[in-house]
Amino acid sequence: GAGVSQSPSNKVTEKGKDVELRCDPISGHTALYWYRQSLGQGLEFLIYFQGNSAPDKSGLPSDRFSAERTGGSVSTLTIQRTQQEDSAVYLCASSLDYQGESGYTFGSGTRLTVV
Amino acid sequence: GESVGLHLPTLSVQEGDNSIINCAYSNSASDYFIWYKQESGKGPQFIIDIRSNMDKRQGQRVTVLLNKTVKHLSLQIAATQPGDSAVYFCAENQTPRVDKNFVFGPGTRLSVLP
Repeated sequence: GAGVSQSPSNKVTEKGKDVELRCDPISGHTALYWYRQSLGQGLEFLIYFQGNSAPDKSGLPSDRFSAERTGGSVSTLTIQRTQQEDSAVYLCASSLDYQGESGYTFGSGTRLTVV
Repeated sequence: GESVGLHLPTLSVQEGDNSIINCAYSNSASDYFIWYKQESGKGPQFIIDIRSNMDKRQGQRVTVLLNKTVKHLSLQIAATQPGDSAVYFCAENQTPRVDKNFVFGPGTRLSVLP
């Protein structure tokens, strides 16, 4: 597609439920990133996929968080047993390769609210 | 003027005036910097970047200044327009660059007054 597409744009869930957030990167972009943006905070790195390499999961805050990327394209971020502190905007970004000079292209994010 | 809001520092400027948004970065080894603009309900958008071998870089209506001595970065917007209202983030990284290692600042909200 023309840009990075994320769905849903908004998600309200009850504490303890599992949620899945989807990211459809720009076609041909081999690198995909998930970031979390809490209110009044900068972007917090979560996980990074590059081609067929094993993902870098070093930013995931707990084992309740996981992500996969199928066929080198669409990615799903899953949060199990959601907690109120998981409430944030989850941003996905993609780039042509990790040493590209143009930075990366972000999606519009999924705003997750855990009640 | 500039003030600390409930969540984000906020800069309010009159339409047509110039804006200066500041960013203090933390890592003296950082040598690559990007400014992003994030409008309400959208993801951050790349505005302009600068490497540490430069102290100034100009784009269309925007200028980024880098002072490595005091680890300070600023974004100047000329003739600020209502469409410039957004949150602006600086991001820093090192060479060789690995995108996941970008460190983002907390952001500054720019509010353009009519």
